[in-house]
Amino acid sequence: KNEVEQSPQNLTAQEGEFITINCSYSVGISALHWLQQHPGGGIVSLFMLSSGKKKHGRLIATINIQEKHSSLHITASHPRDSAVYICAVRKNTGNQFYFGTGTSLTVIP
Amino acid sequence: NAGVTQTPKFQVLKTGQSMTLQCAQDMNHEYMSWYRQDPGMGLRLIHYSVGAGITDQGEVPNGYNVSRSTTEDFPLRLLSAAPSQTSVYFCASSSWTGSYNEQFFGPGTRLTVL
Repeated sequence: KNEVEQSPQNLTAQEGEFITINCSYSVGISALHWLQQHPGGGIVSLFMLSSGKKKHGRLIATINIQEKHSSLHITASHPRDSAVYICAVRKNTGNQFYFGTGTSLTVIP
Repeated sequence: NAGVTQTPKFQVLKTGQSMTLQCAQDMNHEYMSWYRQDPGMGLRLIHYSVGAGITDQGEVPNGYNVSRSTTEDFPLRLLSAAPSQTSVYFCASSSWTGSYNEQFFGPGTRLTVL
């Protein structure tokens, strides 16, 4: 069983919709990382958080350490948000990140 | 800043050939790592380094070697390529400020082993 699970695996939304992507993990962590991978393959960092909530533009990330769960929200979605969104966790021990398999988002105009 | 650069972008090898994937960063980051990305699986760590002269194995190290002689460079060597090593390879780096910060990724190398 993967230590990091994301849901849904695939998501299609209409432009303007509010989107939520979930990440659950089964280990103690020191930080959680949300990443975006565009169709061309490049991976960019969106957020890194260890508690609470972070916001950047239309993107909001929250984390609940007790429930071992994080969510990535996109408000007023746009076709350019179409990408794969990846959750990764850094365990309390060691220097390694462990990755979910990603959520593929398609936003239709 | 160029960020994290990787070469080549694409490579085709025959089984048994060896090659080196290059990775460099100009952000003076202590931590560098190599991942492979396969369909239906999350990124998996191959090797990582926490500074020049220090490397360690990740989740899937077999068939790969690394070295870190400078802060900037972290090459990945395939000793004898196998079809199972067909994948997309990403190099990443991050800084240390009491704990490791967000990772910056290179553009990836798509490797096919025939």
